[in-house]
Amino acid sequence: RKEVEQDPGPFNVPEGATVAFNCTYSNSASQSFFWYRQDCRKEPKLLMSVYSSGNEDGRFTAQLNRASQYISLLIRDSKLSDSATYLCVVTKSGGSYIPTFGRGTSLIVHP
Amino acid sequence: NAGVTQTPKFQVLKTGQSMTLQCAQDMNHEYMSWYRQDPGMGLRLIHYSVGAGITDQGEVPNGYNVSRSTTEDFPLRLLSAAPSQTSVYFCAIGGPPLGEQYFGPGTRLTVT
Repeated sequence: RKEVEQDPGPFNVPEGATVAFNCTYSNSASQSFFWYRQDCRKEPKLLMSVYSSGNEDGRFTAQLNRASQYISLLIRDSKLSDSATYLCVVTKSGGSYIPTFGRGTSLIVHP
Repeated sequence: NAGVTQTPKFQVLKTGQSMTLQCAQDMNHEYMSWYRQDPGMGLRLIHYSVGAGITDQGEVPNGYNVSRSTTEDFPLRLLSAAPSQTSVYFCAIGGPPLGEQYFGPGTRLTVT
C-alpha cells in the first residue's frame, strides 16, 4: 500500500457544486497533514493545514480522521478558478522531517 | 518580497553533463528542500537542509549533491546528468515546526 493515496480523478463538476476529496495514509504515526493546490505547470501552493478538530477557510473545509487514517477536503460552491490539482501531504512524527506527497486529485469545474 | 527564486526556469542537458540548479530565499527560513516531480507521481524529496552547514538525504538522493553555505542559498548539483533525471525540480522553504512549505516556481530539466 502506498504511503499516501489519492484518487487521481479527474473530478468534473459544474460551477456551484460541492465536491469532496479523500486522501488515505498508511502510517499511523503520521503527525501533520496539509492540502496544497497546484495549477498546471506551476508550483504547489499551500491551501490549508488539517487539524484534528477540522478546520474551515471560506468555501474550503478540511477534516482528519485518525481512526480510519484519512483526511478530506470539501469545496463548496465550486468556482471555475478552483480547477487545479489538489495534493495531500503527510508528515511523520519523530526523526527527520520528510513529507510524503500524494499524486494529487485533478478537479475540473465547468460552466 | 521575492520569497523563493529558482534559476534557470528551463534547461536541456546532454547525458553526462553537469549543472547546478540555483535556489535562493529572502525569508530567512532555516529549512530548505529540493523535490522532483514526475508525471503521475507525487513530489519526491531529494535533499533537505535544516540550516547553514547542515544537509541530509531525502527519498531519492542518488545522482544529486547539495550544500548550504548560507541561509539564503541551497543549490542542487547534478554531477553527471542521466535521462532519468528529466523532471521538474522544485525548491521549497519551511518545514518544522508548523510543517507548511512554500515552493519556488520550478526548473524544468530535460536530459537527452
